[in-house]
Amino acid sequence: AQRVTQPEKLLSVFKGAPVELKCNYSYSGSPELFWYVQYSRQRLQLLLRHISRESIKGFTADLNKGETSFHLKKPFAQEEDSAMYYCALSDGGTSYGKLTFGQGTILTVHP
Amino acid sequence: GAGVSQTPSNKVTEKGKYVELRCDPISGHTALYWYRQSLGQGPEFLIYFQGTGAADDSGLPNDRFFAVRPEGSVSTLKIQRTERGDSAVYLCASSPQTAGVLAGIYNEQFFGPGTRLTVL
Repeated sequence: AQRVTQPEKLLSVFKGAPVELKCNYSYSGSPELFWYVQYSRQRLQLLLRHISRESIKGFTADLNKGETSFHLKKPFAQEEDSAMYYCALSDGGTSYGKLTFGQGTILTVHP
Repeated sequence: GAGVSQTPSNKVTEKGKYVELRCDPISGHTALYWYRQSLGQGPEFLIYFQGTGAADDSGLPNDRFFAVRPEGSVSTLKIQRTERGDSAVYLCASSPQTAGVLAGIYNEQFFGPGTRLTVL
């Protein structure tokens, strides 16, 4: 069965510091990985996806198949990055993208 | 344009009662998903619709849960004989699902604001 683990429920950093939100997964097939974000009083939204290899709002994430990880990184955190972050996995072999989410990490960026 | 909407935003009910939760997807989105988010957890998949049919209902916890999407747009999640353990935020998401076999990879899921269900 597929599983996504985010080991940190809470993460606090100061503005301008680097930040890394950890995500590990277990899946026997060919997974696709995503990061979703939920800002205060807003709905869950896609931040970035592995397949696009994009940088959104300064965030990047690299899929490491050897370590089965998809950590989210940003070199200089901003206060507006404070939010709940979810790592999610989709079965790359299906056609409908059912998502399995981790438990989430609350990121707080202090001024 | 309008995003995914869900009604009601909050629902309080008593144990044993029947509830219906509604989801209005983005117009033209053929794929619709329901997730359940318990306190302190990430969303958990319940059911997926492609058009009018439930293509995958493997996440429904038991037969008290049922969902429909009769015209391929609005969906209703129905819970019979509610239990205190059903208390959670129920999320709906829709997706354009236009990329065929790679849709699951490329198509973004757009989430609604959720319905917070409390069973007393």
